[in-house]
Amino acid sequence: AQKVTQAQTEISVVEKEDVTLDCVYETRDTTYYLFWYKQPPSGELVFLIRRNSFDEQNEISGRYSWNFQKSTSSFNFTITASQVVDSAVYFCALRSYSGAGSYQLTFGKGTKLSVIP
Amino acid sequence: NAGVTQTPKFQVLKTGQSMTLQCAQDMNHEYMSWYRQDPGMGLRLIHYSVGAGITDQGEVPNGYNVSRSTTEDFPLRLLSAAPSQTSVYFCASSYSNPGSNQPQHFGDGTRLSIL
Repeated sequence: AQKVTQAQTEISVVEKEDVTLDCVYETRDTTYYLFWYKQPPSGELVFLIRRNSFDEQNEISGRYSWNFQKSTSSFNFTITASQVVDSAVYFCALRSYSGAGSYQLTFGKGTKLSVIP
Repeated sequence: NAGVTQTPKFQVLKTGQSMTLQCAQDMNHEYMSWYRQDPGMGLRLIHYSVGAGITDQGEVPNGYNVSRSTTEDFPLRLLSAAPSQTSVYFCASSYSNPGSNQPQHFGDGTRLSIL
């Protein structure tokens, strides 16, 4: 069975601090994809990044960076110099096989990040 | 660009009532799906469709029906609303199977309360 675990339910940091959101996944597939989504207080879901299982290069996009480690089945997300606008719920997701040639996204339960000014 | 449009944004129902949540996308995506989001549960897949005329069940399908008569529309029907179906519902679409090289595009959500 596919599973995504985000052990941190809520995190609070002071503005300008760095923060890392953890994501651990389980899958039997050798080919899979991992995603991070952001859900701000307004409620919409915003796609942040995707990573396939063959590409373990870390990625940096502005203040955001992602550390993918297959050895530990983790796909952690770091925000550097956090800002109040980063306050949101962040979801990690795993592409999983649902049968009949179709795949679905399995979501973690989310981590609520609060950045305090 | 409209993207994925969900209507209504808010709805209150009485137990036993039926209703349809609408979802439409204008990106010619084959793949559409419905999720529900509950506190502490993340997003859970209800039903999905890989193309017009094809639907299948997700993780939590009971109490919901879907149909896909066109590529653009993927309505979700609550047959007899129950308080346990109080949730926020998200519709999503993508070009092909979600994942691979394409992210899913999400609608803004429908907040549904069942009294």
